[in-house]
Amino acid sequence: SQQGEEDPQALSIQEGENATMNCSYKTSINNLQWYRQNSGRGLVHLILIRSNEREKHSGRLRVTLDTSKKSSSLLITASRAADTASYFCATAPSYGKLTFGQGTILTVHP
Amino acid sequence: EAQVTQNPRYLITVTGKKLTVTCSQNMNHEYMSWYRQDPGLGLRQIYYSMNVEVTDKGDVPEGYKVSRKEKRNFPLILESPSPNQTSLYFCASSLGAGSEEQYFGPGTRLTVT
Repeated sequence: SQQGEEDPQALSIQEGENATMNCSYKTSINNLQWYRQNSGRGLVHLILIRSNEREKHSGRLRVTLDTSKKSSSLLITASRAADTASYFCATAPSYGKLTFGQGTILTVHP
Repeated sequence: EAQVTQNPRYLITVTGKKLTVTCSQNMNHEYMSWYRQDPGLGLRQIYYSMNVEVTDKGDVPEGYKVSRKEKRNFPLILESPSPNQTSLYFCASSLGAGSEEQYFGPGTRLTVT
């Protein structure tokens, strides 16, 4: 089974609203990363949070990590139509390995 | 421009006809990896390489081969493709051990009939 599992599977919101996606994982991690994928294209790295960090910001993105609950959340504030994409969390439990979840499909309506 | 390139971008082939998908990166990254993406299954790692001449199996290596003779190139070889290898393939590279930020290529959409 996948190490990271995103929730919800799909999210539909209006432009200007905030979007929150969650990721749960099973084993200990070195870091957790979030990626974005526009339809059928390559993944783009958004943000990396290490196991000893609790929160990280990058522009309109805010990521939190709770290692006690083995979960992370990605918040996109003031969403834009251009944010429409699939978002994946990826966990790095060990050297040389990055395991991806199945993703959350975000649709932002103008 | 720092990038990972893949060729071809689209390929339709027949069962059993050997093919190679090339991957090249210009960032001097040590780590490279191949993934396949299928609906409902997410991204699954096929093979990865920590450095030149060092390769290892990922989660779904059956039916695939790789080689790493040069740091910049990491081709994916399908010796005898089958329809269940129809998928979207991504190559990625990373400066670190693979557990750091990965840079992805644009993808190769393969159809095996």
